[in-house]
Amino acid sequence: EVQLLESGGGLIQPGGSLRLSCAASGFTFSNFAMAWVRQAPGKGLEWVSGISTDMKSYYADSVKGRFTITRDNSKNTLDLQMNSLRAEDTAVYYCVADYGNLDAFDIWGQGTMVTVSS
Amino acid sequence: DVVVTQSPLSLPVTLGQPASISCRSSQSLVHRDGHTYLNWFQQRPGQSPRRLIYEVSNRDSGVPERFSGSGSGTDFTLKISRVEAEDVGIYYCMQGTKWPPTFGQGTNLEIK
Repeated sequence: EVQLLESGGGLIQPGGSLRLSCAASGFTFSNFAMAWVRQAPGKGLEWVSGISTDMKSYYADSVKGRFTITRDNSKNTLDLQMNSLRAEDTAVYYCVADYGNLDAFDIWGQGTMVTVSS
Repeated sequence: DVVVTQSPLSLPVTLGQPASISCRSSQSLVHRDGHTYLNWFQQRPGQSPRRLIYEVSNRDSGVPERFSGSGSGTDFTLKISRVEAEDVGIYYCMQGTKWPPTFGQGTNLEIK
């Protein structure tokens, strides 16, 4: 069964750091670009970051310089290191697998909630 | 960034009746490779999004035939031929042609 399982969400104070992880199974992880998409409470979907099969990383302007995306093809895992967190980063973060060039968003995880609040 | 605009934002539909959602982009979504990377996603209440349609009109595996996508250039449409109770949720279009990928605001489909 194809599956993406996120972990690492929680409550964090403004300015703090959090690391999200995504464990992939049921497909050839190294053949897929990977991305993080977030959804603020009651709001729509926003692409946050992506990493290609050849390890090139990309970021939305809103998180550039604060977030770092990495992948480990030997462990089938995707991580998102989030630093200098702000209240506006509060959202459900979805791990997404993309068989194309971050243009298709084929497979979605169930999401992990990040709440930035004092 | 490419702005993707959906309409309507709220769509009350009677069971068994058709439904249609429009998605318009601020730029042509035809990629230089000839493909048009316009996708549709469904998010049922309390669930994560799932893709229904990719590259304008290709249904994903397991997606009922009552869902269809069409369009070209900057104008696209998702149609449901006969709405069923399980179709309740929010529908998003997303463009992947221009960087960065962007989503529409979402259309909330509910049963009348």
